[in-house]
Amino acid sequence: AQSVTQLDSHVSVSEGTPVLLRCNYSSSYSPSLFWYVQHPNKGLQLLLKYTSAATLVKGINGFEAEFKKSETSFHLTKPSAHMSDAAEYFCVVSDLTGTASKLTFGTGTRLQVTL
Amino acid sequence: ETGVTQTPRHLVMGMTNKKSLKCEQHLGHNAMYWYKQSAKKPLELMFVYNFKEQTENNSVPSRFSPECPNSSHLFLHLHTLQPEDSALYLCASSEQVSREQYFGPGTRLTVT
Repeated sequence: AQSVTQLDSHVSVSEGTPVLLRCNYSSSYSPSLFWYVQHPNKGLQLLLKYTSAATLVKGINGFEAEFKKSETSFHLTKPSAHMSDAAEYFCVVSDLTGTASKLTFGTGTRLQVTL
Repeated sequence: ETGVTQTPRHLVMGMTNKKSLKCEQHLGHNAMYWYKQSAKKPLELMFVYNFKEQTENNSVPSRFSPECPNSSHLFLHLHTLQPEDSALYLCASSEQVSREQYFGPGTRLTVT
């Protein structure tokens, strides 16, 4: 079984300050991990992915995430928030079981960016 | 643009209506998915198609009927829906079932 926990349902930061969105996972297998972003009235966009290569993963729009197996974490960070980063962020874990890959989504973290 | 398109973007239907949602992917992928996104609930996987064959049905009520005529197109046929079926329905595709998924913009469905 696999699961993912996003520790904060809502995060508010000031523009220009760092962003930290926390994610912990549980997986019976060696997982793949993803972060997706969803802007209002839009579909989900892939930000970055970890698939057992480098543990520090760089994504689009200046985001990055570090896979820490000992902590079962995959936190998303960005050095300096921009107003356009305001959106819902989803941490996702993937197990390959049989012929189907099952994505398990977290409940999401809403990021608010203030002036 | 993600390469996955969905129509219509918004749909309002009565409980006795029949309607269909359409998804098309322009990415050459082999797997396609339907998800339901309701307010304050995790994203729910509904159906998985791999090379046009349904490989997963997550205990979805029969009032939702998927169809995958080819690897590029996916439909969700709707009939006698309930108000609690109101949600954002997202389509996604991936190169293989083990790879990252790319999502369409969704269809906002309201059942009255």
